[in-house]
Amino acid sequence: GAGVSQTPSNKVTEKGKYVELRCDPISGHTALYWYRQSLGQGPEFLIYFQGTGAADDSGLPNDRFFAVRPEGSVSTLKIQRTERGDSAVYLCASSLSGWAGSPLHFGNGTRLTVT
Amino acid sequence: GESVGLHLPTLSVQEGDNSIINCAYSNSASDYFIWYKQESGKGPQFIIDIRSNMDKRQGQRVTVLLNKTVKHLSLQIAATQPGDSAVYFCAEGSSIQGAQKLVFGQGTRLTINP
Repeated sequence: GAGVSQTPSNKVTEKGKYVELRCDPISGHTALYWYRQSLGQGPEFLIYFQGTGAADDSGLPNDRFFAVRPEGSVSTLKIQRTERGDSAVYLCASSLSGWAGSPLHFGNGTRLTVT
Repeated sequence: GESVGLHLPTLSVQEGDNSIINCAYSNSASDYFIWYKQESGKGPQFIIDIRSNMDKRQGQRVTVLLNKTVKHLSLQIAATQPGDSAVYFCAEGSSIQGAQKLVFGQGTRLTINP
């Protein structure tokens, strides 16, 4: 079946601009996650949704980052006043339940480049 | 802080040989461990997971071993194929601290020689 879909696959923006990254999870998965992966590193947790609510946003680096999932399916990660240090691959994942033993299934990510 | 790490950043094996990728973790509260495979330009792909009440779990051509005494995790790939070339990540989670907040290691690049 269809996996996690992320759009756009690449995004180039200028420093100071606002960007939105979209994630379509696997149908039926209640849990959705955003991770960020810098070059040569493993993914780092940003935020986790169970249904429509952000159950854990402790990984968001600062208040320029915000994510929503208004209907419990599609999610948007929003970054305000982008900085060059925000350049990374932003990965979205979904899982059936959000509990241990329910593996995360990742999309191919959005590569964000801030110039 | 507590972290997951890998002993070897790169591993090169002959096609057909078995591969072993190692991982150390330090969070004693971790009770869920996962291995992911990541090919260039793609997201991490789930391979196999194991919970802390198990020492070993087998999948198709892969086996994960967990040694809680020394906080060590390994992934064994049998009869490696060219398609196994990728970066492999171990990740840990804690049911108490929020299993969904997986902590990933840096990764090991596996290269298969013909």
